[in-house]
Amino acid sequence: GAGVSQSPSNKVTEKGKDVELRCDPISGHTALYWYRQSLGQGLEFLIYFQGNSAPDKSGLPSDRFSAERTGGSVSTLTIQRTQQEDSAVYLCASSKQGSGTEAFFGQGTRLTVV
Amino acid sequence: DAKTTQPTSMDCAEGRAANLPCNHSTISGNEYVYWYRQIHSQGPQYIIHGLKNNETNEMASLIITEDRKSSTLILPHATLRDTAVYYCIVRVANSGNTPLVFGKGTRLSVIA
Repeated sequence: GAGVSQSPSNKVTEKGKDVELRCDPISGHTALYWYRQSLGQGLEFLIYFQGNSAPDKSGLPSDRFSAERTGGSVSTLTIQRTQQEDSAVYLCASSKQGSGTEAFFGQGTRLTVV
Repeated sequence: DAKTTQPTSMDCAEGRAANLPCNHSTISGNEYVYWYRQIHSQGPQYIIHGLKNNETNEMASLIITEDRKSSTLILPHATLRDTAVYYCIVRVANSGNTPLVFGKGTRLSVIA
C-alpha cells in the first residue's frame, strides 16, 4: 500500500504473555519511529531506526520492550511479559532521509492487556 | 521535553478561519516548526512545516513571526472534519531524522 501499515489493528492479550507488533513503512523511507499513546494521553516516543540501527532507544519504558528492523524495511516491536499498564495504542511512523521531511503515521495497534 | 506552548483548547465556528497559536521562544536557528493533527482514533497527520518564511499548502497556512519565537497555524475555512488535536513541534533540521516530540497540543472543536 501507499501508507504506513501496522498489524494487527487490535490485540487483546493476557497479562504475562509476549506480544509482537508489526510496522511496514512506506517504501524507500529510511527512518522509522515507534510511539505509544495511552487513553486520553499524548504521544510518547519509544524508539527510532535509521536504516536497521537504532540510534535512540531512550524512550523504551523497560527492558521488557525491544524492537528490531530488518532489511531497512519492516520493524517489529516486542513486549515481553505484558502488564496492564502496557495497554495503549502503539503508533509507527516513517520518513525519508534528510532534514525538514515529514513523518507519515500508521493507524496504530490498539493493545489491551487483560 | 516539548519545547512549545499551546492553548489547551479552542472553539471555532464552521466556515470561519481557525487560528491556532504556538509559542516556541527557545527555538534555535536550525529548528523547523512542524504542525500535525490527530483526529479521534486515527494516527497523527502531517499538516505543514516551515523554517523562516510563511508557508501555505492545500490544508493550511503557517505564519512565523520575524523573531521565530511564535507561529500561527491558519485553517482558512474550518469544517466539522477539522475537529482534532493540533500539535506544534520544533525539530532540528539536520542530515538525520530526529524523532518528533509531541506535547499536549490544542484540542480544536469546530462547531456547526
